[in-house]
Amino acid sequence: EPEVTQTPSHQVTQMGQEVILRCVPISNHLYFYWYRQILGQKVEFLVSFYNNEISEKSEIFDDQFSVERPDGSNFTLKIRSTKLEDSAMYFCASRWDTYNEQFFGPGTRLTVL
Amino acid sequence: QQPVQSPQAVILREGEDAVINCSSSKALYSVHWYRQKHGEAPVFLMILLKGGEQKGHDKISASFNEKKQQSSLYLTASQLSYSGTYFCGTEGENTGNQFYFGTGTSLTVIP
Repeated sequence: EPEVTQTPSHQVTQMGQEVILRCVPISNHLYFYWYRQILGQKVEFLVSFYNNEISEKSEIFDDQFSVERPDGSNFTLKIRSTKLEDSAMYFCASRWDTYNEQFFGPGTRLTVL
Repeated sequence: QQPVQSPQAVILREGEDAVINCSSSKALYSVHWYRQKHGEAPVFLMILLKGGEQKGHDKISASFNEKKQQSSLYLTASQLSYSGTYFCGTEGENTGNQFYFGTGTSLTVIP
């Protein structure tokens, strides 16, 4: 069964460093998402991506964040200068159409020291 | 914008029933339900689209009242495996892929 994959599973970084979180969505899906979940809290929408551009972003998704689909298979989330409060689990999700099920990847745990 | 769920937490004995509610302040086109176990990704349960439908499989079902902007998840004859945090997720019509997760309901089933 096709699945969304994410790498790395755990990333530890120093405050101020740049990190890139990688996701491989399911191959025939057209809509891609990034979510953040701070430990013990709810899942928060960051950004949606369709047709090679951002379609929606939340207030969390400020200038420190960017997304790319560089090669038609990977979907990346870049945080330019990490802050302590960026420590969280980051989930990627994809789906083939709106108003359909989103398939979630296993997540990347980001720890900023 | 974020849907509000109630209750925040519930503890059940095996075999008991539970209802989890999701309420939005905005007009909805679809409601999704997910269950998340600790340290894992959310797992899709079901989606309900505008039309006031009810869905279900096995002992888990849900309803969606778009006029009231509410959805409810029904768990009957609960099993230990039902333990986790339940999130609703909502989308409006023509909102350009903005997806909001609810506040979450922690469900614990004990023997």
